[in-house]
Amino acid sequence: AQSVAQPEDQVNVAEGNPLTVKCTYSVSGNPYLFWYVQYPNRGLQFLLKYITGDNLVKGSYGFEAEFNKSQTSFHLKKPSALVSDSALYFCAVRDGAAGNKLTFGGGTRVLVKP
Amino acid sequence: GAVVSQHPSWVICKSGTSVKIECRSLDFQATTMFWYRQFPKQSLMLMATSNEGSKATYEQGVEKDKFLINHASLTLSTLTVTSAHPEDSSFYICSARAGTGPPFGSGTRLTVV
Repeated sequence: AQSVAQPEDQVNVAEGNPLTVKCTYSVSGNPYLFWYVQYPNRGLQFLLKYITGDNLVKGSYGFEAEFNKSQTSFHLKKPSALVSDSALYFCAVRDGAAGNKLTFGGGTRVLVKP
Repeated sequence: GAVVSQHPSWVICKSGTSVKIECRSLDFQATTMFWYRQFPKQSLMLMATSNEGSKATYEQGVEKDKFLINHASLTLSTLTVTSAHPEDSSFYICSARAGTGPPFGSGTRLTVV
């Protein structure tokens, strides 16, 4: 079975400081990893994904994530956070050998203070 | 990119009535769509996988007779919450299988009073 863990319920960061949102995963096959952002009462917006290739993935709005196979992690990062980055962030995994189901982490609320 | 449109964005209904939520793929054909439910401050839970032209596959614990899914065309899947009760109040989100990061609809906030 595939699973995703986001160990932090909330991350607080000052505007302009680096932002990191942690994610670890577990799959039996090759992992397909995703990050989404959700604003209040809205659907999920795709940020980036890792399927194969370069371990550092660059996505939308200045976000990037680093795939680390040995640590089974896929942390989301942004060098300089904006107040508008305040939202709920979800990491998700799909087992490449197990169909199309996405399994989501519990979500991490990011609060960027001016 | 692949875009999914979901309607309505919010709905209030009386207990015992049924509510239909639509999920459309706007610029691509979606043979497979997914329906999720999200409780306040919680993650998304997959309810069912909707396959065009065949029966939906429901996750364990999801009542298929209560949450009716129809995927009659390559661009439309519908979720009908039948005989809704207050405990069905939630945020429902659809997604589609697509080549890019699976696109999601904007969600439907259902409130049953």
